[in-house]
Amino acid sequence: ETGVTQTPRHLVMGMTNKKSLKCEQHLGHNAMYWYKQSAKKPLELMFVYNFKEQTENNSVPSRFSPECPNSSHLFLHLHTLQPEDSALYLCASSQVFLGGREVSPLHFGNGTRLTVT
Amino acid sequence: AQTVTQSQPEMSVQEAETVTLSCTYDTSESNYYLFWYKQPPSRQMILVIRQEAYKQQNATENRFSVNFQKAAKSFSLKISDSQLGDTAMYFCAFMKPGGYQKVTFGTGTKLQVIP
Repeated sequence: ETGVTQTPRHLVMGMTNKKSLKCEQHLGHNAMYWYKQSAKKPLELMFVYNFKEQTENNSVPSRFSPECPNSSHLFLHLHTLQPEDSALYLCASSQVFLGGREVSPLHFGNGTRLTVT
Repeated sequence: AQTVTQSQPEMSVQEAETVTLSCTYDTSESNYYLFWYKQPPSRQMILVIRQEAYKQQNATENRFSVNFQKAAKSFSLKISDSQLGDTAMYFCAFMKPGGYQKVTFGTGTKLQVIP
């Protein structure tokens, strides 16, 4: 079992559908992230939840809606997506240390390959 | 804002040989962290190696080592004794400490290890 689990692994949806991506981390971390990975582009940070509070929203369209019910679970709710939203969506977690130099790297899941038709 | 540049979209290396992947970055920060992540076909991004900017000594992890040149803002990854399992996308990443991990990634280098 990996430290960060994402479901589903693949998702095909029409532009009028509503679906959700799920992420669960078993590492005891206090921060969770959604990244979008498109071909030949750097990973794009979409959302960050730090201590269950959303601390970052990188100008993501409202058709993407995150939810973090607790520090172990993160969802990305999708509705009325566009074909250009087709990508690999990666979830990550890390431990945030308040103050000091200690740093935890990101731990990633296997991603959800999303295709919007 | 930070930028990370990987100028080699694709590379190949013979099994058991050594290969170096290049990465440059731009920042005005003096304290930061650099990482190399590997993404095999399974798609999971795996941390390969990390370097703290305040440490002069280059990090090493078994067959993986880095050449960190802070003044030149260069952070290359050397893979020795390449193995078939090293075939993957490799991403260079920059991170400022403090708060949650705000990481800037490069566009990646696709490495193919040839038997």
